[in-house]
Amino acid sequence: ETGVTQSPTHLIKTRGQQVTLRCSSQSGHNTVSWYQQALGQGPQFIFQYYREEENGRGNFPPRFSGLQFPNYSSELNVNALELDDSALYLCASSSGDTGGEQYFGPGTRLTVT
Amino acid sequence: RKEVEQDPGPFNVPEGATVAFNCTYSNSASQSFFWYRQDCRKEPKLLMSVYSSGNEDGRFTAQLNRASQYISLLIRDSKLSDSATYLCVDLGLNDYKLSFGAGTTVTVRA
Repeated sequence: ETGVTQSPTHLIKTRGQQVTLRCSSQSGHNTVSWYQQALGQGPQFIFQYYREEENGRGNFPPRFSGLQFPNYSSELNVNALELDDSALYLCASSSGDTGGEQYFGPGTRLTVT
Repeated sequence: RKEVEQDPGPFNVPEGATVAFNCTYSNSASQSFFWYRQDCRKEPKLLMSVYSSGNEDGRFTAQLNRASQYISLLIRDSKLSDSATYLCVDLGLNDYKLSFGAGTTVTVRA
């Protein structure tokens, strides 16, 4: 187990609603990255938070936003949900200097109807 | 063009066989690559880093070919537990964004 936890495990929302997903990083890690994984695809980078600041962002619209807290846990917020937002949302924690060595949580499976 | 492209497979191999597959990357300036493993409906887990000189970890060998911009993964003496999707990852130049391929599925049969 990586020590990265996510909640909730599953979520069903309707189009137009808003959702908040949560992630607790592994002890000692100060960086959290969020990814969206559609069925049959690899994870797509949404954004990364390092010491409570957004450190980089992928090709996702502004309705995808996030936060990181002083204890390095993080939230992903998605507004105005669309059907295509249905996916597995993964968070990954790392220490600031390990780049590609990221430790993933089990994910939140979001279904938008 | 996608940043990382992989043959989706599936590669169906018997136990004990050797299986190898590649992935190609588009950014010629990229320096750091990784292989992650993802079991069905589970999270990705780091399998190994790919160094310019190659990297071997037990039955797994990863190699980088910069001239042709591809990374390979070879699994020797395949075990049933090696059945998974293998994700090729390019760290790129910004040191934070992992670019994943869509994965190569390997199924090892008894």
